Amino acid sequence: QVQLVESGGGVVQPGRSLRLSCAASGLNFRSYGMHWVRQAPGKGLEWVAVTAHDGTNKHYADSVKGRFTISRDNSKSTLFLQMTDLRDDDTAVYYCAKDGAVYGDGYWYFDLWGRGTRVTVSS
Amino acid sequence: DIVMTQSPDSLAVSLGERATINCKSSQSVLYSSKNKNYLAWYQQKPGQPPKLLIYWASTRASGVPDRFSGSGSGTDFILTISSLQAEDVAVYYCQQYYSIPPVTFGPGTKVDIK
Repeated sequence: QVQLVESGGGVVQPGRSLRLSCAASGLNFRSYGMHWVRQAPGKGLEWVAVTAHDGTNKHYADSVKGRFTISRDNSKSTLFLQMTDLRDDDTAVYYCAKDGAVYGDGYWYFDLWGRGTRVTVSS
Repeated sequence: DIVMTQSPDSLAVSLGERATINCKSSQSVLYSSKNKNYLAWYQQKPGQPPKLLIYWASTRASGVPDRFSGSGSGTDFILTISSLQAEDVAVYYCQQYYSIPPVTFGPGTKVDIK
């Protein structure tokens, strides 16, 4: 069964850090670029970050640049998002999502999503 | 960044009737040399993650019923549900992946049963 399963969310105080994980199964994980997309409560979708299939190229939304770091371990088919200096407006459900392209630079549309992990930043 | 807008914000359609959602981008998402529009549509049901419906503006994703279709080019796009079913109640988002980073999403259109 092809699936992505996020974990690591929780309640954290402003300024603290949190590390999210996304475990992939049923797919050749190392072949695909992977993204994080978030959704604040009752709001729309916001792209957060991407890593290329081999972990080389990485890009970030301006709202998280310098605070969040995306990484991956292809040997364990796992994607990560290290979040530091968390703010109230980082409160959201964080989804990992698979890029629609195989290898290359990716297409940046998302053909497989996890169920998400909830992050709440609150004092 | 490319700004995506959608209309209407919400609509209610009778079962079996047609639902039409509009999406507009602030600049063209047509890659002329490839003749491809870098535009995707997603469906998000309550309590669920988004699901890819359409990519390249008009290509249905695997397993998506053929009552869903995408059309348009350049800056104006349409998602059509030809015969609304109860299970189609959801929020629908368009997304451009032409000018990256970042990808950008529309604000969403909520579809309900009349």
